[in-house]
Amino acid sequence: DIQMTQSPSTLSASVGDRVTITCRASENINNWLAWYQQKPGKAPKVLIYKVSTLQSGVPSRFSGSGSGTEFTLTISSLQPDDFATYYCQQYNSYSTFGQGTKVEIK
Amino acid sequence: QVQLEQSGAEVKEPGSSVKVSCKASGGSFSSDLFAWVRQAPGQGLEWVGGIIPLFATAHYAQMLQGRVTITADESASTAYLEVTDLQSEDTAVYYCARGTDDSGDYDNYFFAYWGQGTLVTVSS
Repeated sequence: DIQMTQSPSTLSASVGDRVTITCRASENINNWLAWYQQKPGKAPKVLIYKVSTLQSGVPSRFSGSGSGTEFTLTISSLQPDDFATYYCQQYNSYSTFGQGTKVEIK
Repeated sequence: QVQLEQSGAEVKEPGSSVKVSCKASGGSFSSDLFAWVRQAPGQGLEWVGGIIPLFATAHYAQMLQGRVTITADESASTAYLEVTDLQSEDTAVYYCARGTDDSGDYDNYFFAYWGQGTLVTVSS
């Protein structure tokens, strides 16, 4: 199975901060990468797919980049609603999720 | 409007089995991917497996292979997950997710639609 490694595991930030989360795949996933946001007690919500395509309705402060095995999710200006846990997912070979990055209030 | 409605919470004893259902509405049931993703308390997301009803062949995460069976009933627009020989480590919320075919050739799916989750508790 393809392994996905996210960093950091926890990130403390303030409203207005620029935030970057990194996801590394154990092999080339041909840019089949998505990012999800999950809040406590709720199902995950897809933010970005195919590395950088914003899902309909997702604010433009979210962006994705990368290729091959290294990918990033960036939130340009953190908003109160963005404090949550974020997961990357590879869907090149079935599916694997990263272990998650919790974005908490500093 | 695409929706996924999952069956209710279950409490099971170690060594028993559980079967969780996911009824779909909207979209094209037979050609969509239906996946199961679980989340143990306080932990991350773990892909369990998935099925495209059109092909009727399920794929499973290596870790769970042999104890998990995913099926789909097209007449009922419902996907199922069965887990056998339950252990305490299987205690989790099990989510049904409907895949969006990003490549157009049934190979690459991200999950835009999710069920509400089903809590399975394994305890004696």
